[in-house]
Formats: sequence, structure tokens, C-alpha cells
Amino acid sequence: EIVLTQSPATLSLSPGERATLSCRASQSVSSYLAWYQQKPGQAPRLLIYDASNRATGIPARFSGSGSGTDFTLTISSLEPEDFAVYYCQQRSDWPALTFGGGTKVEIK
Amino acid sequence: QLQLQESGPGLVKPSETLSLTCTVSGVSISTSFYYWGWIRQPPGKGLEWIGTIYYSGSTYYNPSLKSRVTISVDTSKNQFSLKLSSVTAADTAVYYCARNYGSGPNNWFDPWGQGTLVTVSS
Repeated sequence: EIVLTQSPATLSLSPGERATLSCRASQSVSSYLAWYQQKPGQAPRLLIYDASNRATGIPARFSGSGSGTDFTLTISSLEPEDFAVYYCQQRSDWPALTFGGGTKVEIK
Repeated sequence: QLQLQESGPGLVKPSETLSLTCTVSGVSISTSFYYWGWIRQPPGKGLEWIGTIYYSGSTYYNPSLKSRVTISVDTSKNQFSLKLSSVTAADTAVYYCARNYGSGPNNWFDPWGQGTLVTVSS
């Protein structure tokens, strides 16, 4: 099973600041990595797939990069609605899809 | 607009079988290349993929749960279902159903249902 480790666990930032979230895989997943956003009491929402492609309707301030074992989700300028928990997911190891433990982006 | 809605008992006794149904609206569950999945999230924790099904009945399960999981589809009702046997407190979680984003079973998930909390307790 591929383990995804997200860091930091919590990121404290102010609206308008840049957020940089990390996801590291225990072995290469090529570019088969996605990012989700989850707000309290809601289901996750797909933001980025295949490492760098924005899902339908996702604002341009969200971007993804990386390949192999190291990936980054960047939010260029935080909006109030962006404070949430973010998860990464890999689909390289099939049928053993796995998610990371999450990074909480909170208001400083 | 595609919507998914989970339903089923919110409380299950240890050693019994958890049963949930996902009702799909806005699109036919038999649409080619659409796969349908179950994911769970224990309270305050991360996400775990349970399994995925195609309308033809082809299923794909997480190896860690495979011995206890059965996912089935009812195309006449536009629903798919989850059964998890021999449950313990560790199976307490919010259970989500979702559609694959992209073709093929090995994929991302979007959109998701709102989720339903299932508690395992006597």
C-alpha cells in the first residue's frame, strides 16, 4: 500500500496569503495524484487531478504540481471560503487507492 | 445535475452487517464509463476507499476490506449498495458514495453524496 504523508498538519494563514501544501508518497505514483477540499460537515470536493489539472469549476487560484513522490497544492491568494481541510489521493496502486491524512488550513 | 444520496441505518450492532444504499439522480447509473464508489471517514480522521462498481456488476475492492465487503448495483432503481459484514467499532464512520471522475474504475471521485454516519455499538 502506498502511504501518502501530508504536511504540515495545520497551516495558519490570513486571507490573501499564499498557501503551500505538501503531499509525499512512499513510492512513486507518477502523476496519478489528486487533491480534495473538505469543509466542516460537507463531503470532499475534487480540486486537482493527475497532479496539475483543475477539476471542472475550480478557480484558477488553485494549482497543483509535482510528480513521482513529491507533490504540492498551492492556493495563490486565500479567500475566506478556502479555509478547510485538504486531502491528497493516489490512484497509481490499483486496487489500493489511498488518501493522505489531511492538512487543515485555518485562519490566523 | 448529478446527485447522490446515501441511506440506511445509522446504528449497527457489533458483528452484524452494515447495509447502505446510494440513490443516483440526474443521470443513469448505466451510463457508459461511469463507475460508482464508496468511501468512508471515521470521525475526525481521514478518508478510506472501500470499493467501486460498474453498472455491469464488475466490482473492485480495497484489499484491506475485501473479505467483508460486497457492493452491488440495481439499475432498475438507479441505485448501488454496500454491505460490510462482521462490523466492529472501528467501522464507525461517515460513509460516502461518489461517482468516478473520468473513465475507468481506477480514478478520482466527484461528485460525492452528503454522507451518512453509521455508528457500530451495542
